[in-house]
Amino acid sequence: DIQMTQSPSSLSASVGDRVTITCRASQSIRNYLNWYQQKPGKAPKLLIYGTSTLQSGVPSRFSGSGSGTDFTLTVSSLQPEDFAAYYCQQTYSSPPTFGGGTKVEIK
Amino acid sequence: EVQLVESGGGLVQPGGSLRLSCSASGFMFSSYTMHWVRQAPGQRLEYVSAISSNGGTRDYADSVKDRFTISRDNSKNTLYLQMTSPRTEDTGLYFCVKGTYDFWSAYWDYWGRGALVTVSP
Repeated sequence: DIQMTQSPSSLSASVGDRVTITCRASQSIRNYLNWYQQKPGKAPKLLIYGTSTLQSGVPSRFSGSGSGTDFTLTVSSLQPEDFAAYYCQQTYSSPPTFGGGTKVEIK
Repeated sequence: EVQLVESGGGLVQPGGSLRLSCSASGFMFSSYTMHWVRQAPGQRLEYVSAISSNGGTRDYADSVKDRFTISRDNSKNTLYLQMTSPRTEDTGLYFCVKGTYDFWSAYWDYWGRGALVTVSP
């Protein structure tokens, strides 16, 4: 199975901050990398698929980049509603696997 | 609006059985691959199983193979997960997830809120 490693596992930030989360795959996954946001008690939400394509309705302050084994999720200006957990996922090979998550907390 | 609502979770003893259901609405259920994903307390999300739009193709994680069975009833817009011989390590929140037209979905665009399954003596 492809291992997905996210960093950091948690971070504290303020509203307006630029935040970057990284995700590394144990082997090349081309661009088959997705990002999800999860808030407590809520259904996870698809933010970005195919490394950099924004899901419909997701604010443009979210962006994704990378290829091969190294990927990033960037929030250009953190908003109060962005405090949540974020997970990367590879769908290049079966089984699809997830990173360990990054919890974004209010500083 | 796409909605996925899981039900059937609860407490089950090791070696027992439990069936989860997921009621889908807001999209053409019969056209899409569907998935089950779980999350144990404090752990990462874990793929459990997938089923093609017509139910003809199914896939399972090694950890649940030969114990869990995924199925669907397209006439009822409902996805199922039959859990037999559950183990304590199967404890977690089980999510119903919508995939794409393709069985090996490149992304999963809608998730339910999850059904909590606790496996304990």
